[in-house]
Amino acid sequence: GAGVSQSPRYKVTKRGQDVALRCDPISGHVSLYWYRQALGQGPEFLTYFNYEAQQDKSGLPNDRFSAERPEGSISTLTIQRTEQRDSAMYRCASSLGGGADTQYFGPGTRLTVL
Amino acid sequence: AQKITQTQPGMFVQEKEAVTLDCTYDTSDQSYGLFWYKQPSSGEMIFLIYQGSYDEQNATEGRYSLNFQKARKSANLVISASQLGDSAMYFCAMREGTARDDKIIFGKGTRLHILP
Repeated sequence: GAGVSQSPRYKVTKRGQDVALRCDPISGHVSLYWYRQALGQGPEFLTYFNYEAQQDKSGLPNDRFSAERPEGSISTLTIQRTEQRDSAMYRCASSLGGGADTQYFGPGTRLTVL
Repeated sequence: AQKITQTQPGMFVQEKEAVTLDCTYDTSDQSYGLFWYKQPSSGEMIFLIYQGSYDEQNATEGRYSLNFQKARKSANLVISASQLGDSAMYFCAMREGTARDDKIIFGKGTRLHILP
């Protein structure tokens, strides 16, 4: 079956603009995670959902960042009033849940804020 | 304190040799999971292997094995008979606690170069 997909793959925006990044998890996967990866570093946790419920948002850097998963499938990470420091690779992952905890990652969205 | 420490920023290894990538972790939880991911230059994150803290046997997946030494809090990845396609960044990661759907914490990674 299809893996985790993310769109857009690349996003260039001007400082101050809002951006919405989309994640489509593997079909049937209960848990969905957002990470941010700076160049040359490991991914850093942002937030995660079980079904539509946001379980942990402790990694969101500030209140400009928000995420939703209204129907328990596709998720959107929104960054308001973008700043240059928001430039990074944003990765989504999903896992089956129910005790199976391997997370499978999508290709990421490369965000560049000018 | 860092939760995951990978002390080798880069490694060069001759093709067909075995490779050990080091990883130590820090947790006070009794239940946790350890992961290794591969990130080639294309940027994707590829799951390689998983070890649960209560698993008595070291995990193996094809040419990959995880040398789990619980008392030393060590989870080294061993790649046997390395291939040119193994050149990539490798991340060690940990999930703490009993909630098996919880977040993963990653190390800074080791860049592996396989020489022909």
